[in-house]
Amino acid sequence: AQSVTQLDSQVPVFEEAPVELRCNYSSSVSVYLFWYVQYPNQGLQLLLKYLSGSTLVKGINGFEAEFNKSQTSFHLRKPSVHISDTAEYFCAVSGYNQGGKLIFGQGTELSVKP
Amino acid sequence: ETGVTQSPTHLIKTRGQQVTLRCSSQSGHNTVSWYQQALGQGPQFIFQYYREEENGRGNFPPRFSGLQFPNYSSELNVNALELDDSALYLCASSSRDSQETQYFGPGTRLLVL
Repeated sequence: AQSVTQLDSQVPVFEEAPVELRCNYSSSVSVYLFWYVQYPNQGLQLLLKYLSGSTLVKGINGFEAEFNKSQTSFHLRKPSVHISDTAEYFCAVSGYNQGGKLIFGQGTELSVKP
Repeated sequence: ETGVTQSPTHLIKTRGQQVTLRCSSQSGHNTVSWYQQALGQGPQFIFQYYREEENGRGNFPPRFSGLQFPNYSSELNVNALELDDSALYLCASSSRDSQETQYFGPGTRLLVL
């Protein structure tokens, strides 16, 4: 079984500042890792994913994440945020050969202020 | 390429009623998964369908059931609705070759009174 912990429920940040959203997971098997973004009253949009290979993954909208196996972490970063990045961000994990059944964290609300 | 679509967008039901939610998968995708997202929570996996058969189920009671049709669209049925069933219901589709990567629809918001 897998579980995901998003360490911050809310992250306020000023526009053009860097941001890091933290995610830790636990699993007894190898995993795939994902970050999704959810804008108000919308579904989930895939930001980026780690399946294998390079541990630094680049996604859409200037976001990137680094898979750290020893720390079981997959933190999301952006060097300079915009007002339009204000949204809820979800980290998710699925186990190898589990058909893509995703386990989600509780979410981090990113609030970008002018 | 058409993305994942869901209907209806919003729905209000009363306790004890039954509801059917619908999902059309993204073009080329043959696997559909359903998730429940309660207010302020992350989505929780309900079940997955592949080739018209259930292919895994989360911790939800049997009154949550589903179907997948030959065109890969899907339905989620919930019987004997309870107040706690109020949530955003999300459908996600994926291809068999890349089943781990799921693309979500906009969701159906269900309110049970």
